[in-house]
Formats: sequence, C-alpha cells, structure tokens
Amino acid sequence: DVVMRQSPLSLPVTLGQPASISCRSSQSLVYSDGNTYLTWFHQRPGQSPRRLIYQVSNRDSGVPDRFSGSGSGTDFTLKISRVEAEDVGVYYCMEGTHYTFGQGTKLEIK
Amino acid sequence: EVQLVESGGGLVQPGGSRRLSCAASGFTFRIYWMSWVRQAPGEGLEWVANINQDGSEKNYADSLKGRFTISRDNAKNSLFLQMNSLRVEDTAVYYCARDGKTALASLHFWGQGTLVTVPS
Repeated sequence: DVVMRQSPLSLPVTLGQPASISCRSSQSLVYSDGNTYLTWFHQRPGQSPRRLIYQVSNRDSGVPDRFSGSGSGTDFTLKISRVEAEDVGVYYCMEGTHYTFGQGTKLEIK
Repeated sequence: EVQLVESGGGLVQPGGSRRLSCAASGFTFRIYWMSWVRQAPGEGLEWVANINQDGSEKNYADSLKGRFTISRDNAKNSLFLQMNSLRVEDTAVYYCARDGKTALASLHFWGQGTLVTVPS
C-alpha cells in the first residue's frame, strides 16, 4: 500500500510570510498514462475539505495564485507565497490511485 | 453550482446499520465517479469507497472488510452508503465527494458531511 507522509505536521507562520508543506509517497505516483495524481486539499476549521491543486500543480478555479504545487515521482510540495489569515486550517495531500491521504499539516498564524 | 447534500447520520448502536444519502445537483451526476470519505473526530481524512458512473464498479477501503456498500441512483441524482455492523471506530463525519470521469481520484467537490456516532 502507498503511504503518504507530510511534514511538518504543525506549521506556525507569520502573516505575509511564505509557507511550505512537504508530501512524500512510499512509491512513485506516476501513473501508466504518464500523469501524476497528487492532490492537495485545504480544510478550514469546521468546514469540509476543499480541493486546491490536482495533478501536482494545477490550481482549481478560484484558488488564489499564492498557492502553488510542485514535485515529481515521490516528492511533492505545496507552497503559499504569502500567508493570509484565511489560509489557516489543515492541508492534506492525497495520491490518486488508492485515495491515500497524508496525515495533514495544521497551519496556524503566529 | 455543484451541490452535494448528505443526510442520514445520527446515533447508531454498536452492531447496528445506517444508510447515508447524498443528493447531487448542479452537474450531470451520471457521468462522474462518486466517493465517500470519512473523518473521525479530531482526525484526518480516510477514503471509504467509490463507484463508477453506472454502478458496475465499486471499490472499498480494505479496513471496511465488506461491512459497507456504496450504490447510486442516477435517475434521482443520489449516492448512498449502506453501513452494517457498525463499530465505535466508525464514528465520523461522512462526506460525499464528486470524483472525476475516471477511476483516478479527483474529489473535486465535497458536501458538508453527515455525522454518524456509534457510542461505546
């Protein structure tokens, strides 16, 4: 089974500063069609998860461009260029063939 | 606007059964895979099951060991999750999510969730 590991699990960030979350998979996420199915979600306190990024680096409609995804193979990163107050919550990565989620990274404002 | 509205949650005694429903609107339901994802209190996300467009293919998390059954009614734009032999550890918010047009996870849109509580 694929294991997804995120780091850090807790991320205190000052408003306006950048933030970065790492997601590593136990095996390559490159699928037989050549695409890599790595997705990022954001869950604000008390809300449902919201998809931010799919296939590593494609931002969903309405997602601010301060969010970016990168990576390949087994190593992936979600970056927020300048953290805003609305960015608090938990971020999850997920691999797309077995729907395995990472443990989640809790972003809070310092 | 895509809308997914779950219902059917509540308090269920250990060993009992519950059927969750998800009413979909704002998109062509019959052309998308659909999933259920759950989240235990204070915990992370756990995928439960998915189903293809015509209901002929269903996949489940290994941990469920045949206790749950996913189904859909395209005529009524509805997704279901039949949960049997419920355990304390099944206590969670259950989310309905719209997947993509293939079996590869998309989980593009989520409902607000419905809470199932199995007391100890």
